[in-house]
Amino acid sequence: NAGVTQTPKFRVLKTGQSMTLLCAQDMNHEYMYWYRQDPGMGLRLIHYSVGEGTTAKGEVPDGYNVSRLKKQNFLLGLESAAPSQTSVYFCASFDRPDDEQYFGPGTRLTVT
Amino acid sequence: DAKTTQPPSMDCAEGRAANLPCNHSTISGNEYVYWYRQIHSQGPQYIIHGLKNNETNEMASLIITEDRKSSTLILPHATLRDTAVYYCIVKSSNQAGTALIFGKGTTLSVSS
Repeated sequence: NAGVTQTPKFRVLKTGQSMTLLCAQDMNHEYMYWYRQDPGMGLRLIHYSVGEGTTAKGEVPDGYNVSRLKKQNFLLGLESAAPSQTSVYFCASFDRPDDEQYFGPGTRLTVT
Repeated sequence: DAKTTQPPSMDCAEGRAANLPCNHSTISGNEYVYWYRQIHSQGPQYIIHGLKNNETNEMASLIITEDRKSSTLILPHATLRDTAVYYCIVKSSNQAGTALIFGKGTTLSVSS
């Protein structure tokens, strides 16, 4: 039981490049969230999904897109990376809104 | 969601109990108190949560005051591996898309 995994662990992009971050969970959870964490700050919700085929915007969605084609996977895309998107990205999954959230190990993204 | 106040840092000797306080004086009736921790650069880890009653699990105990305006997380026998930032979060249980709002937390340093 791997829990929540994230791919890749590290990435350096140049401004304007695109990439996709993959979050995978093997716990059959309905809810999946993408957060970003900047130095000295808490986590901010980017986009979320309440089930396969659904997505919704969180607090800071601009510059990102997401897809949840399969229940176990939640993809976060950056179409045209900007230095302001340099951050650590965490994915979380859970079954109900009051359940504990299981977090992945994070993806450290630097945009130069 | 209600705001929480935590001391910025605390020290604890290995083997002793660590008592981490949290003030949430504006908590409303349907809001739970959650505790998570983040060990250096890793994804946040769920510890415990509760509504009114005290709770205990294999990791910690959560003591919530009768008026629910404050709570204390107790790590009964702290180890060096418990050194982390601890976050007290108040969250309504029944809303999708409600992110965990991580404030600055308490940095707990456990020393031998």
